[in-house]
Amino acid sequence: AQKITQTQPGMFVQEKEAVTLDCTYDTSDPSYGLFWYKQPSSGEMIFLIYQGSYDQQNATEGRYSLNFQKARKSANLVISASQLGDSAMYFCAMREGNDYKLSFGAGTTVTVRA
Amino acid sequence: DAMVIQNPRYQVTQFGKPVTLSCSQTLNHNVMYWYQQKSSQAPKLLFHYYDKDFNNEADTPDNFQSRRPNTSFCFLDIRSPGLGDAAMYLCATSQGPYEQYFGPGTRLTVT
Repeated sequence: AQKITQTQPGMFVQEKEAVTLDCTYDTSDPSYGLFWYKQPSSGEMIFLIYQGSYDQQNATEGRYSLNFQKARKSANLVISASQLGDSAMYFCAMREGNDYKLSFGAGTTVTVRA
Repeated sequence: DAMVIQNPRYQVTQFGKPVTLSCSQTLNHNVMYWYQQKSSQAPKLLFHYYDKDFNNEADTPDNFQSRRPNTSFCFLDIRSPGLGDAAMYLCATSQGPYEQYFGPGTRLTVT
């Protein structure tokens, strides 16, 4: 079974608008961590934001926020005030328990239009 | 300011000719990872080191080996590259099971 599901292969967003990238996950472990990474065309994976399963509040990092809905097993990334430099592939990933392995989703390509 | 460094950024090798990719880190993290990423796909974990402890993924081909001589360096050896091994190879580090920091990757071409 797929542990991380990203259902949006590609999205277009207008500059300065907000965009939400969907991510749902599947785990029976009560302790897990959820991550979002950005991968521009240059190839480097850039860590954006982290949410722990026991965290009470949604994580935020600058223009990035994570909409964590535990009961629905979703961890959507919201990028506010999109910039042209936000055009990239975005991956949602999960770590379960103390496992070091990250399970990645298939990714969502975001294209920001001027 | 570089944290995870990979050399070379681009590598061309011949079919069957051994190749070594290198990764170094200035973060002093105890875990280092090697991923393979093919075009438009998610990264696939090949193996990781927790300190000197080597952990191989079950589906990593024997053709892929790794060495970690010290905390800072980790190498990926491909003993006999095939055309199917052409990919981006990403090195990452973490302190324990927390966020992983990736290097810029090495794009491998097999001719």
